[in-house]
Amino acid sequence: GAVVSQHPSRVICKSGTSVKIECRSLDFQATTMFWYRQFPKQSLMLMATSNEGSKATYEQGVEKDKFLINHASLTLSTLTVTSAHPEDSSFYICSARASGTYNSPLHFGNGTRLTVT
Amino acid sequence: SQKIEQNSEALNIQEGKTATLTCNYTNYSPAYLQWYRQDPGRGPVFLLLIRENEKEKRKERLKVTFDTTLKQSLFHITASQPADSATYLCALGSVDSSYKLIFGSGTRLLVRP
Repeated sequence: GAVVSQHPSRVICKSGTSVKIECRSLDFQATTMFWYRQFPKQSLMLMATSNEGSKATYEQGVEKDKFLINHASLTLSTLTVTSAHPEDSSFYICSARASGTYNSPLHFGNGTRLTVT
Repeated sequence: SQKIEQNSEALNIQEGKTATLTCNYTNYSPAYLQWYRQDPGRGPVFLLLIRENEKEKRKERLKVTFDTTLKQSLFHITASQPADSATYLCALGSVDSSYKLIFGSGTRLLVRP
């Protein structure tokens, strides 16, 4: 149980275009989802916390107008990278908790490799 | 500043030996610590949780210790196998940081057959 599905797994786009990444909890409901970004051989950096039915909470230094997050249902959060540039190329991973307990494990999607040319 | 440090150099060991990975933190007061496994091109997978009032947790061949005085957690894999080769991440969380987990950069483990 507790499966998180993320699509697409890979995307290549041209500079200036927008890309949408979907994150779904398949067998549980998630009022909160988390979006991370990971550069090669580096840590997962928390970008934002996605809250169902309300605005996302962004970490310091993350541009909310560039990384649009929508959490319209208890099983779906989307991240849209707007006007993408080569420096946005990275590995984006979403996650969610199946339980509301603050220390319960995060269940991760398999990530989206974004390449902006 | 707050830091979570894991050895950036890969740990290379012989099959059957015990792998020990270290996670040190500064300027944090974590309520709990978690360990994850990440394979290349995949999302992390949860392995173990240890709370601040616990000193040790075990699960099959895995053991985690948590020393809040030393500000350190050790992660052990006994009787290691080539299939254990992966990157292992530690992550800290605290009640006052709500649901956010902060990750270390991970240590890559290579188990030679």
